[in-house]
Amino acid sequence: DAKTTQPPSMDCAEGRAANLPCNHSTISGNEYVYWYRQIHSQGPQYIIHGLKNNETNEMASLIITEDRKSSTLILPHATLRDTAVYYCIVRVAGGTASKLTFGTGTRLQVTL
Amino acid sequence: DAGITQSPRHKVTETGTPVTLRCHQTENHRYMYWYRQDPGHGLRLIHYSYGVKDTDKGEVSDGYSVSRSKTEDFLLTLESATSSQTSVYFCAISEQNQASYGYEQYFGPGTRLTVT
Repeated sequence: DAKTTQPPSMDCAEGRAANLPCNHSTISGNEYVYWYRQIHSQGPQYIIHGLKNNETNEMASLIITEDRKSSTLILPHATLRDTAVYYCIVRVAGGTASKLTFGTGTRLQVTL
Repeated sequence: DAGITQSPRHKVTETGTPVTLRCHQTENHRYMYWYRQDPGHGLRLIHYSYGVKDTDKGEVSDGYSVSRSKTEDFLLTLESATSSQTSVYFCAISEQNQASYGYEQYFGPGTRLTVT
């Protein structure tokens, strides 16, 4: 699975959009980009994933560059409850098990 | 929320004793996983299962064994607990999403294990 690079921390004002970047320059054509987050002491929570098209769900939007070497997770109106560590993970779909390799992620702090 | 429970939620045990952690799911998902999380680290995969009686090792499997005798339960055993196994343990489940072709993982609440 491709390695990802994320900034260790970011701040965002409540109500503003939070844009979390991720670099995955060695991504292969059959690898998806997944985003998870972990709120303090809780189990990680799936947010969104995509292959090459931009994706949106009720939680967030995922923007993947045309060359697929980087992506951005967008939380359109961040709230205090979005304070968490966000993990960007790249992996192939399918296979015998969808093993995930977590890095250290980006710690997002949402402030008033 | 996905129906995943872990038991116990907290446990303190002594070095050298055996410990078994249980993960129970009500989603009938095929795949189940055990991760550990330590301060300053992301989650690291210990073992995973791709069906009843089908398991394989993850990146940090030494000192751990697993069993899955039925779809809903995945057990993690520390045969002889050591202080280095003090950690928070998370169970996860997944199944192929037919619409998105993804294998999103859903995590349990975690078990905090302290080995003294």
